[in-house]
Amino acid sequence: EVHLVESGGGLVQPGGSLRLSCVASGFTFSGYWMNWVRQAPGKGLEWVANINRDGSDKKYVDSVKGRFTISRDNAKNSLHLQMNSLRVEDTAVYYCASAWGLTTQYWGQGTLVTVPS
Amino acid sequence: DIQMTQSPSSLSASVGDRVTITCRASQGIRNDLGWYQQKPGKAPKRLIYGASSLQSGVPSRFSGSESGTEFTLTISSLQPEDFATYYCLQYNDYPLTFGGGTKVEIK
Repeated sequence: EVHLVESGGGLVQPGGSLRLSCVASGFTFSGYWMNWVRQAPGKGLEWVANINRDGSDKKYVDSVKGRFTISRDNAKNSLHLQMNSLRVEDTAVYYCASAWGLTTQYWGQGTLVTVPS
Repeated sequence: DIQMTQSPSSLSASVGDRVTITCRASQGIRNDLGWYQQKPGKAPKRLIYGASSLQSGVPSRFSGSESGTEFTLTISSLQPEDFATYYCLQYNDYPLTFGGGTKVEIK
């Protein structure tokens, strides 16, 4: 059975840092591009970043460029999102998700990041 | 950036109704579009990928179609478990962008 389990969320003050993790099991993690998607409370979905299979190619939405870094460790089947200089508007549930266009796709259950005003 | 204009933002329907949700892309995205269903407190679930391919395990009452830059999700006969919020996503170009969502409520 496939599992994606996020962790690392919590309450952090503006300007602070947080590192999210997503551990995969039940599929060949190294064979998939991986994504982070977020959802602010009561709002829609927003793609945040993705990374290719070997970690050499990374893309970000403009609002997080220079502040967030996506990475992966295929030996540990894990995906990470280092979030620095956090802002109130980064408050959201953060989901990890596998590649979009393939016949199978997997999502984690999400982890909540709260940056209070 | 590619804008995905999703309509309607909400709708009320009855069990058994045919429901149609539309996303219009601001430029061509080939068929690089997915449809997602999300229930409160849960992660999104993919229904359709490649604009019209049904995700394995998803009931056949869900279907997707495309006409140029307009994409449609149709639920042929709405069931109680289908009351949820639906999103489209284009994955043709960066930044990847979601539609604003359509909340399907019980009439």
